[in-house]
Amino acid sequence: NAGVTQTPKFQVLKTGQSMTLQCAQDMNHNSMYWYRQDPGMGLRLIYYSASEGTTDKGEVPNGYNVSRLNKREFSLRLESAAPSQTSVYFCASSSRGLGDYEQYFGPGTRLTVT
Amino acid sequence: EDQVTQSPEALRLQEGESSSLNCSYTVSGLRGLFWYRQDPGKGPEFLFTLYSAGEEKEKERLKATLTKKESFLHITAPKPEDSATYLCAVQAGSGGYNKLIFGAGTRLAVHP
Repeated sequence: NAGVTQTPKFQVLKTGQSMTLQCAQDMNHNSMYWYRQDPGMGLRLIYYSASEGTTDKGEVPNGYNVSRLNKREFSLRLESAAPSQTSVYFCASSSRGLGDYEQYFGPGTRLTVT
Repeated sequence: EDQVTQSPEALRLQEGESSSLNCSYTVSGLRGLFWYRQDPGKGPEFLFTLYSAGEEKEKERLKATLTKKESFLHITAPKPEDSATYLCAVQAGSGGYNKLIFGAGTRLAVHP
């Protein structure tokens, strides 16, 4: 099993450009999450999807949108990138609800917005 | 305000020198505490879940313990391959959703 996969691994955007980060899991998990990780700060939840067909805002949702395409895939979209969105983005999945069970993380996407 | 604080920020050990990492938390309604290991350029890797004060979990040279206010990750006779950032996260049952709050991590370097 590949676990949680993310594409791309690296991306450089100019301010105002848009892009979509892709995430897929092959563990048949119901819940999926998007986090950002910034130096000196803990991982912060952007959006999550408790089950297929549902999405909810996390701690820092502004400037992002998500789509739970099916049970396997959960994408994160930046409509108009800003330098403040420079970060490392992690996708994660768990068998059940937020925090109730351990989450498994992908390798991350390192995004730079200039 | 719900908060998770990890200390120290960085720790340097000699191989075989045992030590402990601390995760202190102030949350309303703790439902679980998680420890993760993160290697440079990679995603966090799950280590342990603790649910109640007094609980302990072990894996190789690592042992996690939980009290009502903090958790410790004890590293016994560490090896260079234990070098990583260790993250603590707590699940709080307050607010509109069950938040998972991460600490900033402790960077551990074990030297031969």
